Amino acid sequence: RKEVEQDPGPFNVPEGATVAFNCTYSNSASQSFFWYRQDCRKEPKLLMSVYSSGNEDGRFTAQLNRASQYISLLIRDSKLSDSATYLCVVEVGTASKLTFGTGTRLQVTL
Amino acid sequence: DTAVSQTPKYLVTQMGNDKSIKCEQNLGHDTMYWYKQDSKKFLKIMFSYNNKELIINETVPNRFSPKSPDKAHLNLHINSLELGDSAVYFCASSQTGSSSYEQYFGPGTRLTVT
Repeated sequence: RKEVEQDPGPFNVPEGATVAFNCTYSNSASQSFFWYRQDCRKEPKLLMSVYSSGNEDGRFTAQLNRASQYISLLIRDSKLSDSATYLCVVEVGTASKLTFGTGTRLQVTL
Repeated sequence: DTAVSQTPKYLVTQMGNDKSIKCEQNLGHDTMYWYKQDSKKFLKIMFSYNNKELIINETVPNRFSPKSPDKAHLNLHINSLELGDSAVYFCASSQTGSSSYEQYFGPGTRLTVT
């Protein structure tokens, strides 16, 4: 089983739609969780951290379920500019070692 | 005002050659990383240095040798390049003890081995 698993997509949605991505992780000792965004041929950038209580940043909501070992990202009112690959990222142990999922590609269309 | 910079941005070379990629960060961070992103877009950590000390050394061929002359620089030297080394190599940095654990990535070096 991969350490971090995501549906690669692509998810093709119209502007204004709500879309959700899930991610599962295998190591129950994982301590910190993140969503990064990577545009085509660009570097990954932190989108948001994921907290146990769930957190929201504008149109983006992240949830963590430790018991089931999954993380979700909800995007409301999708914009064309949301088109990118969304990487689920998990930190295990010390030394700030991040393990990246392979990403879920989102394409928002008119 | 570039935060994490890498040179070169593109590198095309032949099998068997030796090449280096350089990385510099001006964020004052104490930890730097090298990642490899292959053709399937899978991003995997290779090495990490904290204050010039190697702290993460994943299963990477010993043809790859990182060097950190100071905490703002982390270079990657690759000997005897192989076709399978073709990938995008990202440098990143972070500050230990910060609440967000955010890693800041450089723009990447696209290596093509022919």
